[in-house]
Amino acid sequence: GQQVMQIPQYQHVQEGEDFTTYCNSSTTLSNIQWYKQRPGGHPVFLIQLVKSGEVKKQKRLTFQFGEAKKNSSLHITATQTTDVGTYFCAGHGNSGYALNFGKGTSLLVTP
Amino acid sequence: ETGVTQTPRHLVMGMTNKKSLKCEQHLGHNAMYWYKQSAKKPLELMFVYNFKEQTENNSVPSRFSPECPNSSHLFLHLHTLQPEDSALYLCASSQARVTAEGPQHFGDGTRLSIL
Repeated sequence: GQQVMQIPQYQHVQEGEDFTTYCNSSTTLSNIQWYKQRPGGHPVFLIQLVKSGEVKKQKRLTFQFGEAKKNSSLHITATQTTDVGTYFCAGHGNSGYALNFGKGTSLLVTP
Repeated sequence: ETGVTQTPRHLVMGMTNKKSLKCEQHLGHNAMYWYKQSAKKPLELMFVYNFKEQTENNSVPSRFSPECPNSSHLFLHLHTLQPEDSALYLCASSQARVTAEGPQHFGDGTRLSIL
């Protein structure tokens, strides 16, 4: 079945440093979504990428979808303490309604 | 306010008890989901309902029994659970379409502890 791998599992940065998490799928995806879960909270939808090679930005966050639609990345520029949390990618295949979530990258930002 | 409400927020039960988790969405979505989230595993999809019909069941043990009476309500009935079932149970909803899956909106979850 479809598997979504996400690295790294953990990342600890100093405030102001950049951060990147990577997501890879064993199969081609119809779209990929990114979610953020704050400690003690629930996953919150950030963005969805659909097109091959698509790049979207949300302030300091940049999301990319690979040309082959099998990988994606989330890059945060100049991290802030409010960026702390776990970032999940989730891939949707070409059939069915289920999203396959990666294991997430837990980001810790120290001032 | 997320638009997806789960009750109870916390639940402690013995292995022989029977309890139910409730989820209600106020977003007009047509698909609802149950996920299990534990410390060592990612979000594990348990059940998917689309237009009240169960479309996926990811090999979940029969001690978990879902019920979807309408597109706004989803239940997870629990009986004879095991200690390894202790986890955060998340409900989500989305507007599912044939060729693309919309974003999922999650509730705050029920923190379940099995004694």
